[in-house]
Amino acid sequence: ETGVTQSPTHLIKTRGQQVTLRCSSQSGHNTVSWYQQALGQGPQFIFQYYREEENGRGNFPPRFSGLQFPNYSSELNVNALELDDSALYLCASSARRRSSGESTDTQYFGPGTRLTVL
Amino acid sequence: GESVGLHLPTLSVQEGDNSIINCAYSNSASDYFIWYKQESGKGPQFIIDIRSNMDKRQGQRVTVLLNKTVKHLSLQIAATQPGDSAVYFCAENPYSGAGSYQLTFGKGTKLSVIP
Repeated sequence: ETGVTQSPTHLIKTRGQQVTLRCSSQSGHNTVSWYQQALGQGPQFIFQYYREEENGRGNFPPRFSGLQFPNYSSELNVNALELDDSALYLCASSARRRSSGESTDTQYFGPGTRLTVL
Repeated sequence: GESVGLHLPTLSVQEGDNSIINCAYSNSASDYFIWYKQESGKGPQFIIDIRSNMDKRQGQRVTVLLNKTVKHLSLQIAATQPGDSAVYFCAENPYSGAGSYQLTFGKGTKLSVIP
């Protein structure tokens, strides 16, 4: 087990609603990344948070937003849900370091939240 | 579009045989590569990684080979076991030196182990 936890495990929403997904990072990790994984596809990067600020964003609309808290946990918020938002949402934590040498960028994933939009 | 892809979407191997899963990448700036295993209903599980200053790295029963000339990555699993059945993804991270950035994943290869 990675130590990365996500809640809830499953969620059913209707089109137009809003959803908040939560992630607790592995102990010692200060960076959280969020990914969307559609059925039969590889995960797609949504955004990353480091020190409570967004640190990179993939090709997702502004209705996908996030937060990172002082304890490094994170939330993913999706507004105005669409049917195509149905997917497994994955959170990954990593330990970003300032040194110019090799850093531990390995991202460790949580079990995901399965979101179904009806 | 995706810059990481896989040559074979499915792979069936006999238990005890060796498995080889291939991956092509297109971003020449990528300097860090990771293989993940994903079982049904679970998140991706880290298997092994390799940096661009290496061409081979070995773990327990797994070996990753990197050929930067042709932008090719492979995962070799020795003595494949039923528990190895899963979808395998390769991912690239072009900014490992400055911090953790996004991973770009391919579609995955499904490995089925025949008992």
